[in-house]
Amino acid sequence: AQTVTQSQPEMSVQEAETVTLSCTYDTSESDYYLFWYKQPPSRQMILVIRQEAYKQQNATENRFSVNFQKAAKSFSLKISDSQLGDAAMYFCAYRSADNYGQNFVFGPGTRLSVLP
Amino acid sequence: DSGVTQTPKHLITATGQRVTLRCSPRSGDLSVYWYQQSLDQGLQFLIQYYNGEERAKGNILERFSAQQFPDLHSELNLSSLELGDSALYFCASSVDWGRTIQYFGAGTRLSVL
Repeated sequence: AQTVTQSQPEMSVQEAETVTLSCTYDTSESDYYLFWYKQPPSRQMILVIRQEAYKQQNATENRFSVNFQKAAKSFSLKISDSQLGDAAMYFCAYRSADNYGQNFVFGPGTRLSVLP
Repeated sequence: DSGVTQTPKHLITATGQRVTLRCSPRSGDLSVYWYQQSLDQGLQFLIQYYNGEERAKGNILERFSAQQFPDLHSELNLSSLELGDSALYFCASSVDWGRTIQYFGAGTRLSVL
């Protein structure tokens, strides 16, 4: 079974600075997807970024980018120019790409605080 | 707004009772997923339906059941409720059974007293 680990329960960053959230995962599969979801105080789960394992190029969405290291099974999220609205729980998630691997496996989350 | 609608937003009930949570997926989405988020267990996948059929099962208790109707909305039924069932229950939807992005609803907060 796949597992996702986020070793940083809490992180803080100064407004306008850059922060990196760590995620590692364990799988024997070669084809899969990785995601970062954000959960602000409203509790809504919001997709931040997605990475397909077969793509070597790291995904980027505006101020959010990932460092995907497939061999190391590492998938970190970098938030540049942090804003107060970035404060939230961030969940790393894994999903198999095969027909029956429909389950999402979520990490325990990292609570990010943004300091003004 | 993700386009996924969950009702009710909050539900307070007593132990031993039964409740039904409802989810309307985004227009055009055929898959519906249910998740439970509790303080001590994190976010756990419960079950997935695709076009009315059960597609995948996760950590769903036997006291819980779900179904997806012909209009593609889904219901999660929780029975013989226990204090430990208090959690946030999310529904998500996606276009197909697998490779596309899941969009989450705002969740239903269930409190069992």
